[in-house]
Order: sequence, then C-alpha cells, then structure tokens
Amino acid sequence: KAGVTQTPRYLIKTRGQQVTLSCSPISGHRSVSWYQQTPGQGLQFLFEYFSETQRNKGNFPGRFSGRQFSNSRSEMNVSTLELGDSALYLCASSLSPFTDTQYFGPGTRLTVL
Amino acid sequence: QQQVKQSPQSLIVQKGGISIINCAYENTAFDYFPWYQQFPGKGPALLIAIRPDVSEKKEGRFTISFNKSAKQFSLHIMDSQPGDSATYFCAALNTGNQFYFGTGTSLTVIP
Repeated sequence: KAGVTQTPRYLIKTRGQQVTLSCSPISGHRSVSWYQQTPGQGLQFLFEYFSETQRNKGNFPGRFSGRQFSNSRSEMNVSTLELGDSALYLCASSLSPFTDTQYFGPGTRLTVL
Repeated sequence: QQQVKQSPQSLIVQKGGISIINCAYENTAFDYFPWYQQFPGKGPALLIAIRPDVSEKKEGRFTISFNKSAKQFSLHIMDSQPGDSATYFCAALNTGNQFYFGTGTSLTVIP
C-alpha cells in the first residue's frame, strides 16, 4: 500500500507570495492533519480534516488555510508569506479522526526568501 | 504554550548503551502517548505508544515507562545501535483527538 505522498517536496518562495501544498493520504484513510515543523518549535498542529470538513485548528493566523476534497486529498495554502513561515510542512493521514495511529508523509520543505 | 515538554534536546550514547528520553505533560485530558522516530528527509514514523492505564510497554529494544501521577513518560532504547541515530518525538493525544508534540531529541549513537 502506498504511503502518504506530499507535493512538491521542496519549494522556494519570496515574502508576500502565496503557496499551495498538496497531500494524498494512504488509500482508505479519510482523516488528514497538517503540521509545521521548525527546529525551535518542533511539530505544531495546523489543522485536521475529515470528510471535507475542518474538525480542529491549531493556533496559527488566518493566512494558513486548508481544504479536503471528496477523494480525501488535502491542500493547504499559506498567503502573504513571511520569513518565519520557512519550515517543513508535514501531512499525516489516519483511517478516521477517532483512530490513534497517524502516518506521516515526507513533508514539503518551504523556504521563504 | 508547550503542552508537552521533552528533554534532553540532544543525546550522545555509545553503541550498546541505554538511551533515555523524557517527556512531561500538564493536561490530564491526554489519553494516548506515542513516540515517533524521524530520520533526515523523512516524516516521523510511529515507534511505540502507551495508554495511561499501564505503567510500562515494551517492544523489542524500545520501552515506554509511564508515570500517571507525575504526568511523565519516557522512552528507553536498550542496546542502542548506530541505526537508532535519529530525532525522537514524544506526543500526547487529547480527548478532542488533537496531537501535541514535544520539541524532539536528536539521538546520536557512536559506534
């Protein structure tokens, strides 16, 4: 069974631009969560989607948004990029929001110049 | 506010030694405590997990010790190997199904 895939793997943007990251969960998984990973803060929860609905949201500004499609694929968008948005963005999938085990993708490395 | 505090930030252990990583939490609503292992260029992978109704769980060389009254849990890696060199994250899941992660421990096992 294929794992979680994320595209693109690397991205370089400049301040003020916007970016869209994509995540395809493991087949049959319907819950997708997004995390931001930085050296100083570790993994911080962004949001979780299930059945195209956002169930949970972390403590991030409104510039961070996401959505989930009917095939469970998810995208996250960051508008008006800031230097501090440079991070590894990880997507994790699980069968449902009510199961414990999350499977992470390799992440998208975003660099904001 | 860091809901899960992890220490040490980095750890160097000789091959064959015991690696110990500690985590502490504040929120008593947490009811599932996993540990993840992350290699460079990869996403975190679930290593071992425990629920608060047991005090210890062992899987091969990896053991979680859980102290509910102290709100602490730790990962012990016995007979540490160079292949164990990675970053380890503890995490806690609350009853609202939201994960909180520690800041990670970079483990280096010296041959």
